[in-house]
Amino acid sequence: DTGVSQNPRHKITKRGQNVTFRCDPISEHNRLYWYRQTLGQGPEFLTYFQNEAQLEKSRLLSDRFSAERPKGSFSTLEIQRTEQGDSAMYLCASSRGDGYTFGSGTRLTVV
Amino acid sequence: TQLLEQSPQFLSIQEGENLTVYCNSSSVFSSLQWYRQEPGEGPVLLVTVVTGGEVKKLKRLTFQFGDARKDSSLHITAAQPGDTGLYLCAGASRLNNNNDMRFGAGTRLTVKP
Repeated sequence: DTGVSQNPRHKITKRGQNVTFRCDPISEHNRLYWYRQTLGQGPEFLTYFQNEAQLEKSRLLSDRFSAERPKGSFSTLEIQRTEQGDSAMYLCASSRGDGYTFGSGTRLTVV
Repeated sequence: TQLLEQSPQFLSIQEGENLTVYCNSSSVFSSLQWYRQEPGEGPVLLVTVVTGGEVKKLKRLTFQFGDARKDSSLHITAAQPGDTGLYLCAGASRLNNNNDMRFGAGTRLTVKP
């Protein structure tokens, strides 16, 4: 399967803990995106990488959020000191510049 | 606030009926995409439109991009239960440097057998 892979699929964490999600994009895709989706809403843009360079960050991405894409392959999204409002589906997508291929997402629940 | 407004928010119809959903904005888009999303999964790309007035067909689905590239519609003919899902439109514009797609809130379609 050469699709976009996200791990874990589900994560339950206590408020104040740190969490890290991983995204493995399609290998030929140089662009990688992170989105957040809450119930009843469309995906909200968080950040965008072209190869290893992080080119754009949404103001939604507070200083508790950090994303990396070392070597321009897989990416990680870390949330520090989680809050209940961080509960959402975190989606990763990759692209060569046309349509996006999304992973199945990581559903985060902060209790 | 959403850059893209989708309507209706919810739509429930019987199998065999036709339907149209809309995606509107005050912004001009360099490209616009439609996705379908099922519960617990990521969105799946259906089509990309880039030219004002463009019409694309995908089996029973017809997509149209407005002449001014500010709006789009998706028409489904003879809907089937398998068409049930969340339909999302997404656009790239100069507001976000054409680098990434911004999504509407979606139209949740239910097709009853």
